[in-house]
Amino acid sequence: GENVEQHPSTLSVQEGDSAVIKCTYSDSASNYFPWYKQELGKRPQLIIDIRSNVGEKKDQRIAVTLNKTAKHFSLHITETQPEDSAVYFCAASKPGYALNFGKGTSLLVTP
Amino acid sequence: EADIYQTPRYLVIGTGKKITLECSQTMGHDKMYWYQQDPGMELHLIHYSYGVNSTEKGDLSSESTVSRIRTEHFPLTLESARPSHTSQYLCASSSQGITEAFFGQGTRLTVV
Repeated sequence: GENVEQHPSTLSVQEGDSAVIKCTYSDSASNYFPWYKQELGKRPQLIIDIRSNVGEKKDQRIAVTLNKTAKHFSLHITETQPEDSAVYFCAASKPGYALNFGKGTSLLVTP
Repeated sequence: EADIYQTPRYLVIGTGKKITLECSQTMGHDKMYWYQQDPGMELHLIHYSYGVNSTEKGDLSSESTVSRIRTEHFPLTLESARPSHTSQYLCASSSQGITEAFFGQGTRLTVV
């Protein structure tokens, strides 16, 4: 089955700096790659997603890049703010299968 | 408002009790899932369903069972709760095709 690896497990940045979280996947048939943000005590919520026919997608301060050949995708957060502090999960899926999540990255943005 | 609802939000029960965690969605989704998550930790898929009368076990071995008699309802049952079942249980749903999954608020279960 699909195996999603996520790094780093923890990340601490200063407010205003950029943060990058990387994920790799094993199944070349995977074609959907969402990113979820989970704040303390809350449910995971989608922040951005990308499909395999696109190499990059941006939404204000967040962007996701996908390299299908290398089977990896990354989340980029620019101009980080304290409210960006949360656990971020990447995931991958292919038609007919459930989402497979990475183990999560705990991001701390310090003022 | 279309959403996915889980009850109860918090539950403390004794070892050996039978419990059912409820999950209902008003989004018209065909696919539903149960994930087990310790706070802030990895999301483990324990059960999923792609439609009525369809259920499958996920990657994480679980002593729970599920049923899908109605499209909007996907309850999870533990026949005999143990302390090792203490965790948060998140229900999710998604539409057909490759789309995002929407999560419920979760049930925080403690077995004493």
